[in-house]
Amino acid sequence: DAGVIQSPRHEVTEMGQEVTLRCKPISGHNSLFWYRQTMMRGLELLIYFNNNVPIDDSGMPEDRFSAKMPNASFSTLKIQPSEPRDSAVYFCASIRGAFGGEAFFGQGTRLTVV
Amino acid sequence: AQSVTQPDIHITVSEGASLELRCNYSYGATPYLFWYVQSPGQGLQLLLKYFSGDTLVQGIKGFEAEFKRSQSSFNLRKPSVHWSDAAEYFCAVGGPEYGNKLVFGAGTILRVKS
Repeated sequence: DAGVIQSPRHEVTEMGQEVTLRCKPISGHNSLFWYRQTMMRGLELLIYFNNNVPIDDSGMPEDRFSAKMPNASFSTLKIQPSEPRDSAVYFCASIRGAFGGEAFFGQGTRLTVV
Repeated sequence: AQSVTQPDIHITVSEGASLELRCNYSYGATPYLFWYVQSPGQGLQLLLKYFSGDTLVQGIKGFEAEFKRSQSSFNLRKPSVHWSDAAEYFCAVGGPEYGNKLVFGAGTILRVKS
């Protein structure tokens, strides 16, 4: 298996633009997590899905952030409009089952908003 | 609040010396406990995990960790550190008592001097 695939690996955008981050979980995994990593705040859980349904989005910072999982093999995290403080590395992770197994992480998307 | 504490932000050890990274979690009778490692520019890789049973668990790369319920701790150890172990290490806790979310500590950066 290719593992969790995230795209793009790097994104540089101007403030105010829309940004869409993509994630393809491992086949057969039915839980998916989006994390944001910054020096100041470490790893923060933004949202997680189980069987394509959002279970907990309490970590989503504000309405500018939205996430979808239209099917078991694809998820997006969208920021609209983007701001410089959104600059971070965004990770996607997937797990087989609701929980209890190993979380497999993608390589991350490094987002820079200028 | 749900939290994981890694009290050491940075640790420096000599190559060949032993290592112990500390981790404490805030609550839970049956937490699921994990240690992940992150190399620069990479995603997180699972070193080891504890769900139940033997409180001393073995992981990859010669790492082990011991769950001590009385101390709410899950410290990571390695008898002899190699230069390639230099990375950032994250402790995480999850499971039903944590809403099936995976909560990470702030991380410990390990430097290895030759």
